[in-house]
Amino acid sequence: KAGVTQTPRYLIKTRGQQVTLSCSPISGHRSVSWYQQTPGQGLQFLFEYFSETQRNKGNFPGRFSGRQFSNSRSEMNVSTLELGDSALYLCASSPGTDLAKNIQYFGAGTRLSVL
Amino acid sequence: GQSLEQPSEVTAVEGAIVQINCTYQTSGFYGLSWYQQHDGGAPTFLSYNALDGLEETGRFSSFLSRSDSYGYLLLQELQMKDSASYFCAVRGDSNYQLIWGAGTKLIIKP
Repeated sequence: KAGVTQTPRYLIKTRGQQVTLSCSPISGHRSVSWYQQTPGQGLQFLFEYFSETQRNKGNFPGRFSGRQFSNSRSEMNVSTLELGDSALYLCASSPGTDLAKNIQYFGAGTRLSVL
Repeated sequence: GQSLEQPSEVTAVEGAIVQINCTYQTSGFYGLSWYQQHDGGAPTFLSYNALDGLEETGRFSSFLSRSDSYGYLLLQELQMKDSASYFCAVRGDSNYQLIWGAGTKLIIKP
């Protein structure tokens, strides 16, 4: 099985621009979660989508949004970029049906630099 | 609020045993997971505990005590490739959201 694919791997943007990141989950997985990771920090949860519906949302401003398509692929959008948005954005997929265990399989991430 | 506490850094010697602790404070509890992340890499799943006790997977073991809201990851026969950050994560009540610790950087010396 192919793993979780995130595109692009690297992005450089300037303040005020917007960006869209893409994530293709493992085939058959219906849940996609997005995380922000800054140097030396843990994973900050952004949101989770399951079967095209947002099931969970973290504590991020409305500039961060996402969606999931019928094929489970997901996109994350950040509008009006700020310098503090520079981070590694990780996508994780899981079957989504075992809510308790729900092992997350991570993509390699998109490294976003905002200048 | 909900939080997980783990040491920021642990140092050990190659071939030794090291324990990484995690204490949690969450509303509800549906299991404690551990993930490993090498520098520049993606986190990968290591283990999961839903019930009290020890789970063993090769050189890695994970322990949970729900009454103490505490768990640990035990790494035996340390190898240089075990140098990485280790994250604990708890699934709590809030829509089963996964809450993550800040991670423990494991430094292994020869």
